[in-house]
Formats: sequence, C-alpha cells, structure tokens
Amino acid sequence: DVQLVESGGTLVQPGGSLRLSCAASGFTFTNYWMHWVRQGPGKGLEWVSRTNSDGSSTTYADSVKGRFTISRDNAKNTLHLQMNSLRVEDTAVYYCVRVRRGTSYFDSWGQGTLVTVSS
Amino acid sequence: AIQLTQSPSSLSASVGDRVSVTCRTSQGINSALAWYQQKPGKAPKLLIYDASSLESGVPARFSGSVSGTDFTLTITSLQPEDSATYYCQEFDSFSLTFGGGTRVDI
Repeated sequence: DVQLVESGGTLVQPGGSLRLSCAASGFTFTNYWMHWVRQGPGKGLEWVSRTNSDGSSTTYADSVKGRFTISRDNAKNTLHLQMNSLRVEDTAVYYCVRVRRGTSYFDSWGQGTLVTVSS
Repeated sequence: AIQLTQSPSSLSASVGDRVSVTCRTSQGINSALAWYQQKPGKAPKLLIYDASSLESGVPARFSGSVSGTDFTLTITSLQPEDSATYYCQEFDSFSLTFGGGTRVDI
C-alpha cells in the first residue's frame, strides 16, 4: 500500500525556519511528481509547491515563493519542504501528496503535519 | 491564474436526497478538473478526475459533469457517510488551484 508519512511540524516563532519531511513507501518514488498542500485552521486547501520526479523542476505558490524550498532525496524516498521567514499566516496542516502519473490529480495523501507560527 | 468559484458554500440535506455542487472556472480548462471529499480531521480523498471519471473504489452515487466552464459534482441518494466538505481542483501550466469548498451536512 502507498504510504506517505509527514514529520517535522511544530510550534515556531514568526521569522523562524522549519524543515518538513515526508517518507514515502509502497510505490516507486522516483516515478512520481510530488506536491505539498496546506490547510489553515478552519480553512480550505491551498497548493504550496511541486517537484518533478527527479527534483530538477520546482514550482511554488506566490504566497511562499522565495521563502519555501521543495526538494527530494530519491535514494531515501523522502520529500522535504524547507520553510524560512515563517509568518503567522503559514500556520496550517501540511500534506505531502502524490500525483497520479501523467495527470495533475492527487491520488495519495499523507496524514498531515501541523505547523504553528506564533510568538 | 485560473479562479475556481464553488457554490453553495454549504448545504444541508437528508438521507436519500440528490445534491449538486458547482465549480465555475474563470476560463476554459477543457476537462482537467477533479473533485475531492474531506472528512473532519482526515486528508482529502480523490472522487472524480477529468471532470467525470469515477476514481476506483468510489461509490457510483458520485458523478461529475461539465457544461462550458461549469463543473458539477452530483451525489444521488445521499448517505450518512457522505457528510463532508467537497473541493474542486484544477491545474494549469504554472499553478494549481482549489475551490473554496462546499460543506455537506446530513
């Protein structure tokens, strides 16, 4: 079975940094594009970032561009999200998500990890 | 970026009812739209892709359709377990967008 397990979420002060990780198993990680999607408390879903299968191409939402960096370690089947200059509005559950091959649809989601930005 | 406008933002219905949720796109996207179901405290689940294709394992009471820039998710014979928030999603060359969500209460 496909498994995506996020980790790294915690309480951090505004302006701080945090690195999220997502451990993937049950599928050939190197074959899939991966994304991060977040959901603020009581809010809807917001796409954050994506990376292609080998990590050579990345894209970001305007709200995080220049502050967040997505990366992947295909040898360790792990996806990362480096978050710098964190703001209160970055508070959310962050989901690691797999994209169905050849499409832009999310067919597998992790359970999410909570990031709280507060002083 | 393409905007997705979902309506209604919430609805209340009874078991056995037929309900529809609409997602209007700000420009044509062919049929590149998906629907997800999210229950409280859980990750979203893919229901419909390519506007009208049913994801494997999803009950046949869920269906999707499109007319121009209006995409519709329909649930026939609503069941108690269908109580959830539903989101539409599209992708263009540069970014990905979700609709604002529709909460369905039973």
